[in-house]
Amino acid sequence: AQRVTQPEKLLSVFKGAPVELKCNYSYSGSPELFWYVQYSRQRLQLLLRHISRESIKGFTADLNKGETSFHLKKPFAQEEDSAMYYCAPPRSNYKLTFGKGTLLTVNP
Amino acid sequence: DTEVTQTPKHLVMGMTNKKSLKCEQHMGHRAMYWYKQKAKKPPELMFVYSYEKLSINESVPSRFSPECPNSSLLNLHLHALQPEDSALYLCASSQERGTHTEAFFGQGTRLTVV
Repeated sequence: AQRVTQPEKLLSVFKGAPVELKCNYSYSGSPELFWYVQYSRQRLQLLLRHISRESIKGFTADLNKGETSFHLKKPFAQEEDSAMYYCAPPRSNYKLTFGKGTLLTVNP
Repeated sequence: DTEVTQTPKHLVMGMTNKKSLKCEQHMGHRAMYWYKQKAKKPPELMFVYSYEKLSINESVPSRFSPECPNSSLLNLHLHALQPEDSALYLCASSQERGTHTEAFFGQGTRLTVV
């Protein structure tokens, strides 16, 4: 099964500080990973995906095959970044699943 | 239109009631999903439909009954639920093919079973 691990349930930083949300994967095959975000009272939505190598809202995520990681980073956190972040493996056998999530709180 | 629309937004039902949750998308997606989400937890996959056929049932109790009447609609029929079934129920859709396909989620139905 294709699985991801998010080791931190909670992460708290101050506004303007760098933030890194960790995600490790533990499967072979193409690691086409995703980050989804769920802001308070908003729908779960895609933040970014590995395959497109883009930067969204200042966030980037680099695939590190040696460390089997796909950590989400932002150099200067903003209060509006406070949300639940889920790392997701590629869809497998019709299944779209998620890591356990990390609740990011950015303090003023 | 890149929205998945779920109705109702909120639902309170008794343990003997029968109710249905509805989900609609017009993106031409042929894969549709039901998830259950408890507070501060990740969405848990319940059912997957592919081309209007049930592809996955994640051992969900029979008091939850999914239905896909056509390629744009997905229903979840509820009967004889328990209080522990209270949760946010999310519908999602995606292209059917490809491992790198993005899922689009509805706002969810907040269900309370009393």
